[in-house]
Amino acid sequence: EDQVTQSPEALRLQEGESSSLNCSYTVSGLRGLFWYRQDPGKGPEFLFTLYSAGEEKEKERLKATLTKKESFLHITAPKPEDSATYLCAVHAGNNRKLIWGLGTSLAVNP
Amino acid sequence: EAQVTQNPRYLITVTGKKLTVTCSQNMNHEYMSWYRQDPGLGLRQIYYSMNVEVTDKGDVPEGYKVSRKEKRNFPLILESPSPNQTSLYFCASSWRDPKNIQYFGAGTRLSVL
Repeated sequence: EDQVTQSPEALRLQEGESSSLNCSYTVSGLRGLFWYRQDPGKGPEFLFTLYSAGEEKEKERLKATLTKKESFLHITAPKPEDSATYLCAVHAGNNRKLIWGLGTSLAVNP
Repeated sequence: EAQVTQNPRYLITVTGKKLTVTCSQNMNHEYMSWYRQDPGLGLRQIYYSMNVEVTDKGDVPEGYKVSRKEKRNFPLILESPSPNQTSLYFCASSWRDPKNIQYFGAGTRLSVL
């Protein structure tokens, strides 16, 4: 069964303390892995799409990487405004939908 | 401005009273979907539509109906709401299919008493 697991569930960092969020997946025929950011009470907002192992993408303090089993979202020198829930989703095979992880809730203290 | 608009944003209703949550997108997207989000369960897809008059069930379709008569609109209908449908609902749209970027609405917080 296709599955997406995110860890940790919650993470608390001090401002400037770099860390990584993990998204591991078990799917047949990966067609794309997505990272979204969700602020409380708002809809998810797209961050990155990764298509093949070895691919990396960056945006400001965020960098997403992909292997054949997992993806990491690296956060370098985070700021309080990076506090949010980060969601990972996978599109696989001929599915007409995404498979979503439960998210990692990130809190960055000033 | 590209956007997905949901209405209402907040709704409190009673068991059995039919309601409709509207969703409209201005990006000429073919793929639209409805999700519900509950603590500990994440985003779960209710229904999706690949194009006008083409809809299909997602993971949790029971108790919901949808229609896609126009490309821009994808309303979610609860014909007889029950308390277990109390949730945060999101509409999303993307170009052609889900492997493209999905744009989400701001959400509808529904309480069924």
